[in-house]
Amino acid sequence: AQSVTQPDIHITVSEGASLELRCNYSYGATPYLFWYVQSPGQGLQLLLKYFSGDTLVQGIKGFEAEFKRSQSSFNLRKPSVHWSDAAEYFCAVGTGQAGTALIFGKGTTLSVSS
Amino acid sequence: TAGITQAPTSQILAAGRSMTLRCTQDMRHNAMYWYRQDLGLGLRLIHYSNTAGTTGKGEVPDGYSVSRANTDDFPLTLASAVPSQTSVYFCASSDSWTGASNTGELFFGEGSRLTVL
Repeated sequence: AQSVTQPDIHITVSEGASLELRCNYSYGATPYLFWYVQSPGQGLQLLLKYFSGDTLVQGIKGFEAEFKRSQSSFNLRKPSVHWSDAAEYFCAVGTGQAGTALIFGKGTTLSVSS
Repeated sequence: TAGITQAPTSQILAAGRSMTLRCTQDMRHNAMYWYRQDLGLGLRLIHYSNTAGTTGKGEVPDGYSVSRANTDDFPLTLASAVPSQTSVYFCASSDSWTGASNTGELFFGEGSRLTVL
C-alpha cells in the first residue's frame, strides 16, 4: 500500500525567502503525485501534479516540485514566498488506477514572517 | 461552476443523535470520496464510491455509512454520533475513466465542520 510522509509539521519562512517543503512517498510502481494547499477555513486546492514526463513540474502561484525516483521524494519549492502563501500544504500519492483514492500526508503548516 | 457542494457548513450535534452530511457534484465524475481532517492527522479516507450503486470502505469507516443512489450525490451518515467524530469532513470527486488525461486529481468541497458534544 502507498503512504506519504511530510517530515516537517510546521515551517516559518521570512517573506521573500525561498521555500522547500519535503514529501516522501512509498509506492512500488510509478506514483501519481500531488500537492494541495489549504487556506484557513477553506477546502483544498490543487497546486500541481506529476504523473509522467518531465520530473520538474510547474504549478499555480509560482510553485514547482521535482520528482526524484531515487529518493522517493516530491518536494515543493517556491523561490520567493509571499505572506499570502501562509497555509497548510498536503502532499498526496495515487496509483493512477481509475477511481482510486489519494493517500495524503499529515500536512505542513507554513507561516510567513515579515 | 459550482463543482462540489457540501451541506451543512457547520453543525453542533449532541452525542447519540444521527446526522447526514450532504455532498453534491455537478462535474459528472464517477468516483466520490469522504475524508475527515483532524489536526496532526491530515486527511483520512472514510468511504468511497467508484460509480453509482457501489461503495467501499476507506481507512476509518467505523461509525459512518454512505450511499450512492446516483452520480451526483454521495451523503455521509453518522447513525449515532460520538465525540470522537468531531472533525472537518471533506467530500471529493474524481473522473475515474481510464485514460491518459485522467491523473486521478481530486476536486474538493469546502468542508463541513461537525462538533459532537
